[in-house]
Amino acid sequence: AQSVAQPEDQVNVAEGNPLTVKCTYSVSGNPYLFWYVQYPNRGLQFLLKYITGDNLVKGSYGFEAEFNKSQTSFHLKKPSALVSDSALYFCAVRPQYTGGFKTIFGAGTRLFVKA
Amino acid sequence: EAGVAQSPRYKIIEKRQSVAFWCNPISGHATLYWYQQILGQGPKLLIQFQNNGVVDDSQLPKDRFSAERLKGVDSTLKIQPAKLEDSAVYLCASSPDRDPPEAFFGQGTRLTVV
Repeated sequence: AQSVAQPEDQVNVAEGNPLTVKCTYSVSGNPYLFWYVQYPNRGLQFLLKYITGDNLVKGSYGFEAEFNKSQTSFHLKKPSALVSDSALYFCAVRPQYTGGFKTIFGAGTRLFVKA
Repeated sequence: EAGVAQSPRYKIIEKRQSVAFWCNPISGHATLYWYQQILGQGPKLLIQFQNNGVVDDSQLPKDRFSAERLKGVDSTLKIQPAKLEDSAVYLCASSPDRDPPEAFFGQGTRLTVV
């Protein structure tokens, strides 16, 4: 069965520092991987996705994510955090060829960026 | 382009009552999803449509939940009768016809069952 784990409920970082939000997954075969962000009172917004190829994926708002097949991880990163990055971040996975079309979401990690 | 529209934004009902949510996806998006997001959890897929047809409804509690997508555009999700544990945010999303498709989400409907 496919699953997604976001081991940290909350991540705190100072503005200007690099940030990492962790995600590990379990899926049969090769995965499609996604990151979404949810701001207060707003719907989820797509940040980036991994399909195949380059393990470093660049997305919106300066975010990037690193795919590591051996560690089954897809951590979200940003070199320099902004206060406006404070939000709820969700990792999601979907198998490429098996398991139908269902995308599974992690429980979310709340990011606080302090000025 | 206009985003995914959902209504109402908020709804409070008593248990055993019925409720319906409406969604209008982004124009041209063939795939439409309904997700349930309980506080502190990630979204859980309830049902996925491809045009008029159901692709996945394996996690839809069919004894009380129903959904339809007439003419392959708008969709409604209904709960009848509601239970306390149905209190959640119900998210509608749509995606374009590319693989893998990222989803575009509406703002959601916050349902409180008392």
